[in-house]
Amino acid sequence: GAGVSQSPSNKVTEKGKDVELRCDPISGHTALYWYRQSLGQGLEFLIYFQGNSAPDKSGLPSDRFSAERTGGSVSTLTIQRTQQEDSAVYLCASSPPGSETQYFGPGTRLLVL
Amino acid sequence: GEDVEQSLFLSVREGDSSVINCTYTDSSSTYLYWYKQEPGAGLQLLTYIFSNMDMKQDQRLTVLLNKKDKHLSLRIADTQTGDSAIYFCARDGGFKTIFGAGTRLFVKA
Repeated sequence: GAGVSQSPSNKVTEKGKDVELRCDPISGHTALYWYRQSLGQGLEFLIYFQGNSAPDKSGLPSDRFSAERTGGSVSTLTIQRTQQEDSAVYLCASSPPGSETQYFGPGTRLLVL
Repeated sequence: GEDVEQSLFLSVREGDSSVINCTYTDSSSTYLYWYKQEPGAGLQLLTYIFSNMDMKQDQRLTVLLNKKDKHLSLRIADTQTGDSAIYFCARDGGFKTIFGAGTRLFVKA
């Protein structure tokens, strides 16, 4: 595709449920990033993948958050036992090899009731 | 986070110039960025500047970098209503990009 795509675009869930958010990076981009943007806040870095490995997971807010990337392409961010404070826009970005410029997807808007 | 700071709001009249300011504390970055986020959309990279440059101009956009003062600014000439958005200042922090909280630009017709 032409850009980074994310699905679903919107997700409403009940507190305590698990959710999976998907990111399809731009073809050929080796680096993939997840960020969280809470209402009125800047972007909070969550995790970064280079290929399939994640050198740094320290940005994940709690052990309820996990992410994986398979085949060096699609990534899934999973939030278990969602809480109301997890409500935010989750943004994914990717970068081509040798570049630090990040290209962002449109985000997934998560609302936990 | 707190490393990159910017004012939260800016209001200008259509046709005027907008200047969005940003300060940062860590001077180790190679690149500094300006991103634009329109309502309901993801972030769009507007422009970036290498840390060894003082200025970069791209059509209506002018980026100024003062490394001594750790100050970055984005000037939008002839601001249009379509420029209304949130503008994020960011710097590269190794494998991640560190963003400010964003400046919401209001353009009055």
